[in-house]
Amino acid sequence: DIQMTQSPSSLSASVGDRVTITCRASQGISNYLAWFQQKPGKAPKSLIYAASSLQSGVPSKFSGSGSGTDFTLTISSLQPEDFATYYCQQYNSYPLTFGPGTKVDIK
Amino acid sequence: EVQLLESGGGLVQPGGSLRLSCAASGFTFSSYAMSWVRQAPGKGLEWVSAISGSGGSTYYADSVKGRFTISRDNSKNTLYLQMNSLRAEDTAVYYCAKALLWFRELSPFDIWGQGTMVTVSS
Repeated sequence: DIQMTQSPSSLSASVGDRVTITCRASQGISNYLAWFQQKPGKAPKSLIYAASSLQSGVPSKFSGSGSGTDFTLTISSLQPEDFATYYCQQYNSYPLTFGPGTKVDIK
Repeated sequence: EVQLLESGGGLVQPGGSLRLSCAASGFTFSSYAMSWVRQAPGKGLEWVSAISGSGGSTYYADSVKGRFTISRDNSKNTLYLQMNSLRAEDTAVYYCAKALLWFRELSPFDIWGQGTMVTVSS
């Protein structure tokens, strides 16, 4: 199985900050990497697929990059609605696996 | 509008069974693989199972293999998860998720349901 790790596990940031979250796969997954946002008590929301492609309706302040084993999610200017937990997930092979999540809260 | 609506969650005793449903609308259901993903209280996301658009291929996490069965009825636009031999560690919110890419068994998700809570406790 492919193991996914994320760093940091949590971070505190201010409105307007640029935030970067890292995701690493235990083996190469090409660009078969997705990112999700989840707010407390809500279903996850799909943000990015194929490592860098935005899902429909997702604002361009979100961007993704990477290939192989190392990936990043960047939020260019953090807004109040962006405080949430972010998960990466590989869909290169079954079983699908998620990273443990990165919680972004207000400094 | 594409929508997924889960139902069937509830309280069940250890060793019991439950069937979850996910009613889909707003897209050609049979063209897309579907998955179940769960989230235990206070924990992260865990993929549980997936099924191809035709229903001919199914996949399971090791933690549920042999106990859970995924299926779909394309005439009813509905996805199912039959859960048997339930354990306390199966307690979670269960989400259904739609594949973004049609006719692909491996695909990112695009749409998620709102989730249904399953509690396994005596």
